[in-house]
Amino acid sequence: GAGVSQSPRYKVAKRGQDVALRCDPISGHVSLFWYQQALGQGPEFLTYFQNEAQLDKSGLPSDRFFAERPEGSVSTLKIQRTQQEDSAVYLCASSNRGELFFGSGTQLSVL
Amino acid sequence: DAKTTQPPSMDCAEGRAANLPCNHSTISGNEYVYWYRQIHSQGPQYIIHGLKNNETNEMASLIITEDRKSSTLILPHATLRDTAVYYCIVSNSGYALNFGKGTSLLVTP
Repeated sequence: GAGVSQSPRYKVAKRGQDVALRCDPISGHVSLFWYQQALGQGPEFLTYFQNEAQLDKSGLPSDRFFAERPEGSVSTLKIQRTQQEDSAVYLCASSNRGELFFGSGTQLSVL
Repeated sequence: DAKTTQPPSMDCAEGRAANLPCNHSTISGNEYVYWYRQIHSQGPQYIIHGLKNNETNEMASLIITEDRKSSTLILPHATLRDTAVYYCIVSNSGYALNFGKGTSLLVTP
C-alpha cells in the first residue's frame, strides 16, 4: 500500500475489556515496530518484529500487552484487561533500511 | 541508545531558516543521529539522518559537529506547514527506545 495503515483510528474501551489494534505495514517492509504515545509525550518503543520474528519486546509495559505478526506482514497489538493508564495513541511503523514510516495511530481511551 | 537534549520550544518567522539544536554528548561511534517530526494528530515523519558527515535532502540539512556531541537540523525556508514537534534521536539500530519530548517549533506568519 501507499503507507502504513492502522485501524481502528479511535477505540473506546471500558476498563477490563480486551482490545486488538491492527497495523498494515508498507508492502515488502521487513521490520515493524509498535510505539505508545501518551498525551504530551514523545513515542515510546513497545516491540519490534523482523518478518514474523519478535526480536525485541523490552518495551511492553506488562504481560497484558501482546503483539504478533504471524505471516510477516499485518501485525496486531492486543491489550488484555485494559486499565485507564493504557489510554494513549498506539503507533505502528515499518522500515526496510533504517528510517521508520509511521501510521497515524490508534487513539485508545479507556473509561 | 545515547540520551539527547533539545530545547522544549522555538519560534521562527515564515520564510526564515529554522535551526533546531540537539545535544548528544554521550553518543558512541556507531550511533547515527536521526531527526523526525510530528505534526498534530499524525504519526512521526522521518526527516534525515547522519553519522558524522553533514547531510542534505529535499526537506532539510543536518549539521553534525566534528566531535559528534551535538547537531543542528536546518529548515532553510520555514513555512507554516513546518509547525510541528521535532525529535532528535541517537541510535545504532535504526529505531529508538523513546523519542523524548522533542522541540515544539512554531512558524509564525
